[in-house]
Amino acid sequence: DAGVTQSPTHLIKTRGQHVTLRCSPISGHKSVSWYQQVLGQGPQFIFQYYEKEERGRGNFPDRFSARQFPNYSSELNVNALLLGDSALYLCASSLRDLSYEQYFGPGTRLTVT
Amino acid sequence: RKEVEQDPGPFNVPEGATVAFNCTYSNSASQSFFWYRQDCRKEPKLLMSVYSSGNEDGRFTAQLNRASQYISLLIRDSKLSDSATYLCVVKKSGGSYIPTFGRGTSLIVHP
Repeated sequence: DAGVTQSPTHLIKTRGQHVTLRCSPISGHKSVSWYQQVLGQGPQFIFQYYEKEERGRGNFPDRFSARQFPNYSSELNVNALLLGDSALYLCASSLRDLSYEQYFGPGTRLTVT
Repeated sequence: RKEVEQDPGPFNVPEGATVAFNCTYSNSASQSFFWYRQDCRKEPKLLMSVYSSGNEDGRFTAQLNRASQYISLLIRDSKLSDSATYLCVVKKSGGSYIPTFGRGTSLIVHP
């Protein structure tokens, strides 16, 4: 069975631009969460979606938004990119809500110049 | 005080050594605890959940101390392949179980 997949693997954007990152969960998993990880730190929780509804939100500005589709895949959108948005963006899937164990995808490495 | 704290290390140990890491958490409402392993420039991989009674998986033992609000990970008979960053995760109850990751502890196992 395929694990969590994310695309693209790498991305370079300019300040002020917009970016969309994509994630497909493990087959049968209905929950997707997004994290930002900067070098030397642990992943920081951005959003969780379960059954296409937002179920949790971390301390990130409104420039960050996400959605989940009927097939449980998800997109993370970031508007008006800042240099500080450069990070590894990780997607994790779980069977149901966040009380379940989470499994991470390989991440998208975003560089903002 | 940070919600979840870990000593960043690095812990430098020889092959075959026993090494232990702690992770302290500040919120007594925390309900679920996990250890993840992350190799350089890779995604975190679930190592083990941490149960109230403690649990073991081969050379790895996880413990929870609710009174002192910390979890621990013990690795016995360290292998070169154990070199990685070990992240602890704490989830609060209250409906959403939003997880908080520690910054990770770096382990280097040398020959």
